[in-house]
Amino acid sequence: DMKVTQMPRYLIKRMGENVLLECGQDMSHETMYWYRQDPGLGLQLIYISYDVDSNSEGDIPKGYRVSRKKREHFSLILDSAKTNQTSVYFCASSLPGLGRDTQYFGPGTRLLVL
Amino acid sequence: GQQVQQSPTSLVLQEGENAELQCNFSTSLNSMQWFYQRPGGSLISVFYNPSGTKQSGRLTSTTVIKERRSSLHISSSQITDSGTYLCAMNNMGYKLTFGTGTSLLVDP
Repeated sequence: DMKVTQMPRYLIKRMGENVLLECGQDMSHETMYWYRQDPGLGLQLIYISYDVDSNSEGDIPKGYRVSRKKREHFSLILDSAKTNQTSVYFCASSLPGLGRDTQYFGPGTRLLVL
Repeated sequence: GQQVQQSPTSLVLQEGENAELQCNFSTSLNSMQWFYQRPGGSLISVFYNPSGTKQSGRLTSTTVIKERRSSLHISSSQITDSGTYLCAMNNMGYKLTFGTGTSLLVDP
């Protein structure tokens, strides 16, 4: 059963604290993504990773960085979190090529920055 | 401007009615997908539909690449169909650009 996991599911942080969001997948997918979802804005791509240590900025990378040291794990880091980073963060993975590029999403992490 | 526009933004149906959701793209695209999201839940891929018509149970997706549009038809709606339906397009590499969704409520 294809699965994308995210930890933690809920997180409350104070402004200025560091935040680490973790994502895992058990499908050996090469490509992984981090999105945030805000009311009225839909999903916005933060970063995309094509494989280990092969990461690329998405549409809204400012204030975020990522790390991918193993194919099955992809981390999103917020250094000194800001209140406008309060959002729902989704991780996804896909195996692109020949119509197999459906993205599989994790359950999401709800982050509140006070 | 928005590259992916969905309509309507919200829709209320009586159980058993049909629904037609629209997605229009402002740029050329390689493929598109429809996702379903339950309130507070994750996204589930409903259709990967580069072109043409696909059907899965009561759901039918029709994409016309040349006209930059796609539709999702839900027949005989059920209460469990309630949620948000998002379309997303791919026009470059592996990146998906999402619409802001259609919120569907099916009343008994």
